[in-house]
Amino acid sequence: DAKTTQPTSMDCAEGRAANLPCNHSTISGNEYVYWYRQIHSQGPQYIIHGLKNNETNEMASLIITEDRKSSTLILPHATLRDTAVYYCIPISSGSARQLTFGSGTQLTVLP
Amino acid sequence: GAVVSQHPSWVICKSGTSVKIECRSLDFQATTMFWYRQFPKQSLMLMATSNEGSKATYEQGVEKDKFLINHASLTLSTLTVTSAHPEDSSFYICSALMGPSIYEQYFGPGTRLTVT
Repeated sequence: DAKTTQPTSMDCAEGRAANLPCNHSTISGNEYVYWYRQIHSQGPQYIIHGLKNNETNEMASLIITEDRKSSTLILPHATLRDTAVYYCIPISSGSARQLTFGSGTQLTVLP
Repeated sequence: GAVVSQHPSWVICKSGTSVKIECRSLDFQATTMFWYRQFPKQSLMLMATSNEGSKATYEQGVEKDKFLINHASLTLSTLTVTSAHPEDSSFYICSALMGPSIYEQYFGPGTRLTVT
């Protein structure tokens, strides 16, 4: 699976959009980009995933660059409850679907 | 939908005793469940993959005789920490897959184990 690079931490003002970048320059053609988050002392939560098209759901939007070497998770109107560690994880289709969690980005939403 | 529960949410046990943690998929059948461990200020580490009706597959460095996993039904997997020691104190989290062609994992809330 491709390696990822994410900023260690980010702050965002409540109500503003939070843009979380992820670099996955070694991603292969059959690897999806999955995003999860973990609020302190809770189990991780699935957010969104994509292959090459931009995706949107009720939680977030995912923008993947045309060369697929990076992506950005967008929380359009961050709330205090969005404070969590966000993980970007490439997963190849047909794999055993095991998740390898990196260090992630600690997003802190400030009032 | 896609709710996964764990029981207990926290447990304190004495060194040398065994502890069983249950992971249940409440509203779907899970052919595959995963067990993770997370130490303070660290990321989740996969311990094992559990498939219903078959033996679990353990990650390198995880002792299968110490961490017994049973996936007896499509909605229940258990992790038993045998002869627990203080270094086994950790946050144990399970996750479940909804189906063979679905990649999103749904996680339980975690179990905090403290061994004294």
